Amino acid sequence: AQSVAQPEDQVNVAEGNPLTVKCTYSVSGNPYLFWYVQYPNRGLQFLLKYITGDNLVKGSYGFEAEFNKSQTSFHLKKPSALVSDSALYFCAVRGGGSYIPTFGRGTSLIVHP
Amino acid sequence: DGGITQSPKYLFRKEGQNVTLSCEQNLNHDAMYWYRQDPGQGLRLIYYSQIVNDFQKGDIAEGYSVSREKKESFPLTVTSAQKNPTAFYLCASSIDREGVYNEQFFGPGTRLTVL
Repeated sequence: AQSVAQPEDQVNVAEGNPLTVKCTYSVSGNPYLFWYVQYPNRGLQFLLKYITGDNLVKGSYGFEAEFNKSQTSFHLKKPSALVSDSALYFCAVRGGGSYIPTFGRGTSLIVHP
Repeated sequence: DGGITQSPKYLFRKEGQNVTLSCEQNLNHDAMYWYRQDPGQGLRLIYYSQIVNDFQKGDIAEGYSVSREKKESFPLTVTSAQKNPTAFYLCASSIDREGVYNEQFFGPGTRLTVL
């Protein structure tokens, strides 16, 4: 079975400061890892993914994520947060023979002016 | 303009009534999914379909039904057997090549409220 944990329900950060949204996973075999963002009353938008290759993945809107196999983590990061980054962020994993992705419960990011 | 459309955006259901949520994609994706989103619970999979005329139950299929008669369309019916259907419903699709799993594309969602 595969699983994803987003240990923080909410992350607060001041505008201009770096942000990190945490994600850890459990899957047998090679993981395919994804981050999505959701604005209020909207569908999820894809931000970035790790399939293979470089552990640092760059995505949309200045976001990046670091794949750490030993710690089974895939934390989302951004060097300088914007108020407009405030949204709900989901981490997801696919792999280990499972066709269906597993999503974390989501982390609400609040960026204060 | 490629993407996934869902309609209606808002839907109100009376007790004992069946309602159907529409999902259409023009991305030529084989796989399509339906999720239910409740506050604080993330996404829960209702049904998914990897190919036309075939679909499988997800984690919370009871009280729901689907069809996949065309590649582009994956409608979800919320039946009267679903006792607590008030939620935000999301449709998604993906294209997966052998051994490689790609990201999902999501529609804008339908908010269903039971009156």
